[in-house]
Amino acid sequence: DIVMTQSPDSLAVSLGERATINCKSSQSVLYSSNNKNYLAWYQQKPGQPPKLLIYWASTRESGVPDRFSGSGSGTDFTLTISSLQAEDVAVYYCQQYYSTPRITFGPGTKVDIK
Amino acid sequence: EVQLVESGGGLVQPGGSLRLSCAASGFTFSSYEMNWVRQAPGKGLEWVSYISSSGSTIYYADSVKGRFTISRDNAKNSLYLQMNSLRAEDTAVYYCARDLPMVRGVVDVWGKGTTVTVSS
Repeated sequence: DIVMTQSPDSLAVSLGERATINCKSSQSVLYSSNNKNYLAWYQQKPGQPPKLLIYWASTRESGVPDRFSGSGSGTDFTLTISSLQAEDVAVYYCQQYYSTPRITFGPGTKVDIK
Repeated sequence: EVQLVESGGGLVQPGGSLRLSCAASGFTFSSYEMNWVRQAPGKGLEWVSYISSSGSTIYYADSVKGRFTISRDNAKNSLYLQMNSLRAEDTAVYYCARDLPMVRGVVDVWGKGTTVTVSS
């Protein structure tokens, strides 16, 4: 199985400041035939199911605010919230789908307000 | 409105069985690949099982293989998970999850989940 790790485990950011979450996969999730990274990001608020934010490492899902952006390639990826809002307090998970359907998730990063 | 609604969770003793159901609405269920994903209390997300749109292709996580059975009834717009030989470590919220069209492995619609507790 492809193992996903995330850093930090948690972070606290002031409102309006940037939040950066890192994700690393145990093997490359870049598929050479189409040059796409099989990496997604989800947001989960307390008591709610996860919500898809980004797939193909950087494609924003419809309706997701543009303050959320994804970057990276191969084994190293980043989710950036450019200007943290109160409603962004949540746990964020990265997920690989290179080995679909055996998808695996990172352990999550908790984002709070400083 | 696109919606997935799980049911069937509850408290069960170790070694017992439970059948989860997921009712889909607001989209053409028979066209979509589906999954079950679970989340143990205070923990992260774990993929459990996948079924293709026709039901002809099925996969399981190693942790549940041989004990859980996924199925679907496209005529009833429903997904199921039969869970046998339940263990304490199966305690979790179980989510019914739809694959994003044309991007297999990315979940774009999640149910609210149903809670399974395995305890004596």
